[in-house]
Amino acid sequence: DAGVIQSPRHEVTEMGQEVTLRCKPISGHNSLFWYRQTMMRGLELLIYFNNNVPIDDSGMPEDRFSAKMPNASFSTLKIQPSEPRDSAVYFCASSLAGSSYEQYFGPGTRLTVT
Amino acid sequence: GENVEQHPSTLSVQEGDSAVIKCTYSDSASNYFPWYKQELGKRPQLIIDIRSNVGEKKDQRIAVTLNKTAKHFSLHITETQPEDSAVYFCAAPFSGGYNKLIFGAGTRLAVHP
Repeated sequence: DAGVIQSPRHEVTEMGQEVTLRCKPISGHNSLFWYRQTMMRGLELLIYFNNNVPIDDSGMPEDRFSAKMPNASFSTLKIQPSEPRDSAVYFCASSLAGSSYEQYFGPGTRLTVT
Repeated sequence: GENVEQHPSTLSVQEGDSAVIKCTYSDSASNYFPWYKQELGKRPQLIIDIRSNVGEKKDQRIAVTLNKTAKHFSLHITETQPEDSAVYFCAAPFSGGYNKLIFGAGTRLAVHP
C-alpha cells in the first residue's frame, strides 16, 4: 500500500490566492482527518470525515477554509482567500473506524503564503 | 471537554540516559493510548500504543505504562540514541468515536552525543 498520499508537497502562493490541498487516504479506510501544524499552535485538528460525510468542522479556523470529500478515495482542503497566517504544514490522516484507532498520516503539504 | 496534557514540553538528555514523557487524560472511559514520533520535517508515526487492559507494554528500548486510576500514561525510552531526537505526541481517543484522537501538545526530545 502506498500509504496516505498528499499533494502538493510544497506550495508557495501570494496572499489572496486560492489554495487547494489534496489527499488520497489508504484504500479501505473510512475516516479522514485534516490537521494543521505550526510551531506556535502545535497539531490542530481542522475537520474530519467518516464515510465521506463531514462529522465535525469546529476546528476550521475561518470561513475561508472549506473541505470536501466527494468519494472514499479523495479529499480536498481549500483556503480562499489565503493569508500569510495560514502558512503551516497541513497533514491528512486516515483510519479504519471500528477497528484499530491508529491514524496514518500523509507526508504533509508545506504551505507558505507571502 | 476532553483533554490530554503532556509534560515536559522539552527534554534534553545525554546519549545513553533514559527519557520519560508523561501524559494525563480526562475521559475515564478512554481505552487506547498511542504515542507518535515526529522527526524533523517528517510526518507523525505511531511507535507504540497500549490498551486499558494492560498496565505496561514494551518494544525494545521503548515502553509505555498506564495508570487508569490516576488517568495518566507515560513513555519510557531507555539507552537513548541521537536518532531518538524528535517530537513525541501522546493521544487518547475522543469519546464520540470515528477514531478521532485528542493529541497532547508534544514533547521535543533532544539526545546529545
